[in-house]
Amino acid sequence: AQSVTQLDSHVSVSEGTPVLLRCNYSSSYSPSLFWYVQHPNKGLQLLLKYTSAATLVKGINGFEAEFKKSETSFHLTKPSAHMSDAAEYFCVVSVDPNFGNEKLTFGTGTRLTIIP
Amino acid sequence: NAGVMQNPRHLVRRRGQEARLRCSPMKGHSHVYWYRQLPEEGLKFMVYLQKENIIDESGMPKERFSAEFPKEGPSILRIQQVVRGDSAAYFCASSPLYAANNEQFFGPGTRLTVL
Repeated sequence: AQSVTQLDSHVSVSEGTPVLLRCNYSSSYSPSLFWYVQHPNKGLQLLLKYTSAATLVKGINGFEAEFKKSETSFHLTKPSAHMSDAAEYFCVVSVDPNFGNEKLTFGTGTRLTIIP
Repeated sequence: NAGVMQNPRHLVRRRGQEARLRCSPMKGHSHVYWYRQLPEEGLKFMVYLQKENIIDESGMPKERFSAEFPKEGPSILRIQQVVRGDSAAYFCASSPLYAANNEQFFGPGTRLTVL
């Protein structure tokens, strides 16, 4: 069974400062990992995904995440926050032992607030 | 290429009524997943379907909830005799037959309000 823990339910940063959203995962197999963003009353947009290739993954809007197997972490970062980054962020894990389709397991989310 | 479509976007029902939520997957996608997001919570998996088959319904409540994905037409999530606790956002996602790294594409969701 897999699970994902988002360590902070709320994060507030000032505009122009770095963003760090933390995520730890648990999986019996080599996982696929994703970060999704949800703006208020909107659907989910994929930010980036880890696919067992490069451990440092670059996504859209300047976000990136680093897969650290030794720490079972997949933290999301951005060098400089923008007001439009204010949203809910979900860390997601999926297990694909047989290269088949698989349900996604979501973290509880981190609400990012940007202070002007 | 149109994305995943869900309708209605908002649905209001009174207690005891039925709710029908529709999901049209992306073109060429044969797998559909339904997730529920309760207020202030993350998404929880409900059911995974292929055309005419339920593959995994481990997240579906045992009563009142059913899902189908017929050979023709959209996938339907049906909730009978709705209660206030069913109020949530219901998201549909789709993927192709062999989804690279399990990537799923999400629709905009249906927000169900039970009065």
